Amino acid sequence: SQQGEEDPQALSIQEGENATMNCSYKTSINNLQWYRQNSGRGLVHLILIRSNEREKHSGRLRVTLDTSKKSSSLLITASRAADTASYFCATDAKGAQKLVFGQGTRLTINP
Amino acid sequence: KAGVTQTPRYLIKTRGQQVTLSCSPISGHRSVSWYQQTPGQGLQFLFEYFSETQRNKGNFPGRFSGRQFSNSRSEMNVSTLELGDSALYLCASSLAPTSGTDTQYFGPGTRLTVL
Repeated sequence: SQQGEEDPQALSIQEGENATMNCSYKTSINNLQWYRQNSGRGLVHLILIRSNEREKHSGRLRVTLDTSKKSSSLLITASRAADTASYFCATDAKGAQKLVFGQGTRLTINP
Repeated sequence: KAGVTQTPRYLIKTRGQQVTLSCSPISGHRSVSWYQQTPGQGLQFLFEYFSETQRNKGNFPGRFSGRQFSNSRSEMNVSTLELGDSALYLCASSLAPTSGTDTQYFGPGTRLTVL
């Protein structure tokens, strides 16, 4: 079963708006990572947040992590058409020695 | 630095055949992980190799196997193909074994279609 559950499954917004995606997981983790995948291609690493961090920024991306709620959110500000993709969270559960991916959020940015 | 490369990019096979997929990691990376991606099951971990040793294995039947060579290149093999094996197979490389501290870098994937 998937460790991460993402919400919403699909999101459609206008260019320039902000997009927020959420990820919940079940067990204690070492870190949580976010990846982007353009239609049927490989995954591109976006950001890694460690279990002892609460917030991290990278360009237009902001990731938060709440280990007490076992949840994370990815915020993309000032969205662009090129941000259209599927976004996945991946957790590295303690002792698991592998990444477990959520089902992803399909983000569509409308021009 | 060149990224992770996977060959072939597309493959069409028939049921019962076997297939071998190849992955070349980023130079200097010693860990290679394989994932299967399908619309129904999403991204699922197959196995990870580090220094030519299988370090971890996902919940897949024995028809799925892999290996890693001394130059860190990895291959995965699927024998007796089934229709349900149709998927995008992704490999990812990292400097060290998956431990929570290293980023995994993904290749473009091999799209396998089983007819």
